Amino acid sequence: GAGVSQSPSNKVTEKGKDVELRCDPISGHTALYWYRQSLGQGLEFLIYFQGNSAPDKSGLPSDRFSAERTGGSVSTLTIQRTQQEDSAVYLCASSPTSGATDTQYFGPGTRLTVL
Amino acid sequence: SQKIEQNSEALNIQEGKTATLTCNYTNYSPAYLQWYRQDPGRGPVFLLLIRENEKEKRKERLKVTFDTTLKQSLFHITASQPADSATYLCALPPRAGNNRKLIWGLGTSLAVNP
Repeated sequence: GAGVSQSPSNKVTEKGKDVELRCDPISGHTALYWYRQSLGQGLEFLIYFQGNSAPDKSGLPSDRFSAERTGGSVSTLTIQRTQQEDSAVYLCASSPTSGATDTQYFGPGTRLTVL
Repeated sequence: SQKIEQNSEALNIQEGKTATLTCNYTNYSPAYLQWYRQDPGRGPVFLLLIRENEKEKRKERLKVTFDTTLKQSLFHITASQPADSATYLCALPPRAGNNRKLIWGLGTSLAVNP
């Protein structure tokens, strides 16, 4: 596609429910990142996929968070038993790794609100 | 570990003036540095990349400098416009290895007043 897409754009859920957030990266990009951004805060790294390598999960805040990337393309971030502190904008970015730099192309984000 | 610092205070300037934002880093020498713009409710958008062997890079009204001795990059917007109001982030590559995660600053908010 023309850019990174994410769905849904907004998600309101009740505390304790599970949510799935989807990211479609730019076609051909081998690297995919998930970030979280709370209001007025910086980007918080969550997880990073690079090709067929094991993902870097070092930023996941708890075991309620997980992500997968199927076929080296689409990725899903799952949050189980959501808590109010999970409310934030979840951003996905992809990056081509054929070059020597790592410019990241971001999607519009999913705004998650946990009531 | 690598650390990035950007002005935490918002920058307010008058339309037409030059805005200058600072990005300082410590503990290593990155091969390049990137600047992004982020508007409220949107993901960051890549603006410019400057390599360690480049002193200065320009793109339209934007200019970036990279001083590897001071470990600092300056981001300038000349003839600023209200539409330039946004948060500007700097990002650096990791120190080494196969990890290609960028390291992000917290960003500086710029407001250009008409």
